[in-house]
Amino acid sequence: ILNVEQSPQSLHVQEGDSTNFTCSFPSSNFYALHWYRWETAKSPEALFVMTLNGDEKKKGRISATLNTKEGYSYLYIKGSQPEDSATYLCACVNDYKLSFGAGTTVTVRA
Amino acid sequence: KAGVTQTPRYLIKTRGQQVTLSCSPISGHRSVSWYQQTPGQGLQFLFEYFSETQRNKGNFPGRFSGRQFSNSRSEMNVSTLELGDSALYLCASSLAGSSSYNSPLHFGNGTRLTVT
Repeated sequence: ILNVEQSPQSLHVQEGDSTNFTCSFPSSNFYALHWYRWETAKSPEALFVMTLNGDEKKKGRISATLNTKEGYSYLYIKGSQPEDSATYLCACVNDYKLSFGAGTTVTVRA
Repeated sequence: KAGVTQTPRYLIKTRGQQVTLSCSPISGHRSVSWYQQTPGQGLQFLFEYFSETQRNKGNFPGRFSGRQFSNSRSEMNVSTLELGDSALYLCASSLAGSSSYNSPLHFGNGTRLTVT
């Protein structure tokens, strides 16, 4: 079982503020890093899949970076909106096995 | 395109019984994987099927089993249910198989299983 860790576990953000949080994973035998957004009463939705060291992906106000050598990825939310409130999951693929972190729950206050 | 469909949405079972959950993937997706989520835990990988073959298995007891049919639909079975099996069970489909995890997973809405 891979040790994929996400921090912080939860955070509260004022509407309009930007925020970021971390996913740490084992760097050995790395294959890919996924980010998902999971809103209450919905199913997890894919945000990004990254494979290369230095990868940066962007989708609207959300972006992510990847450092495979040191084993971490950051997810950034710029100008947070109430609709960004969700749990953000990362998942790491090592040796062809996918392991999820426990998630970071973001609450955006209006 | 229809999304991933899981049935039923909710189930209540008694300890010792068995249960079968169903997952219909997005059309054209050949990989189906199953996950368990319990309170305070991340998604725990159960197993993955690709073209009717189990390609990967997580660390769950043999009471948890699955299969995939030729149309890529998958079923998961849990026998001799225990209270600790109460959880949300999610399935996900993807275009690629287990040897290529660079395509995203598409999740269903899950089956909420309660064991009493």
